[in-house]
Amino acid sequence: EVQLLESGGGLIQPGGSLRLSCATSGLVFSASTLNWVRQAPGKGLEWLSTISGRPGYIHYADSVKGRFTISRDISKTTVYLQMDRLRAEDTAVYFCATDNGMDVWGPGTTVIVSS
Amino acid sequence: DVVMTQSPLSLPVTLGQPASISCRSSQGLVYSDGRTYLMWFHQRPGHSPRRLIYEVSNRDSGVPDRFSGSGSGTDFTLKISRVEAEDVGLYYCMQHTHWPKTFGQGTKLEI
Repeated sequence: EVQLLESGGGLIQPGGSLRLSCATSGLVFSASTLNWVRQAPGKGLEWLSTISGRPGYIHYADSVKGRFTISRDISKTTVYLQMDRLRAEDTAVYFCATDNGMDVWGPGTTVIVSS
Repeated sequence: DVVMTQSPLSLPVTLGQPASISCRSSQGLVYSDGRTYLMWFHQRPGHSPRRLIYEVSNRDSGVPDRFSGSGSGTDFTLKISRVEAEDVGLYYCMQHTHWPKTFGQGTKLEI
């Protein structure tokens, strides 16, 4: 069974940085595509970034390009989202999801950007 | 970017009655491999989304057969044949034919 577990959320001041982690199990991690998606309070779903397995590619939403960086550690079967220069509008629940079709989701981790 | 427009945004329903949600894309969603990457998700309050349908009409494992997806080109529909209490929540369509991946605004189904 594929399982995902996000961590690393918290309260951070505007302009600060956070690194989110998504620990995976049950995947052929090296060949898997993983996504980050967020949901602001009371709002809909917003795709943020995707990192693929072999052959590798990375894509970002315009809203986070240049501020957020996705990466993966094959030895830890974990994908990360480094978030820099955080803004109040980045306040959201952040989910990771597998595959381009997002068939499995984690429970999410909450990020609050506030002074 | 491909804009996904859902309607209605709010859908009051009666238990046991059918329900239907429309999703329209601003561009066609047929990929170069011939497949159409249009998905449907259900999100209960306080939970993460669950995928129901992939590639327009394929139900995910464990999804009740009262859920069905249809459509082509730019017009897609999710139908629930007989609404049950557990079906309340938000429904989203999503396309990943084109980058960036985009979601509809969400439809709130309430009883």
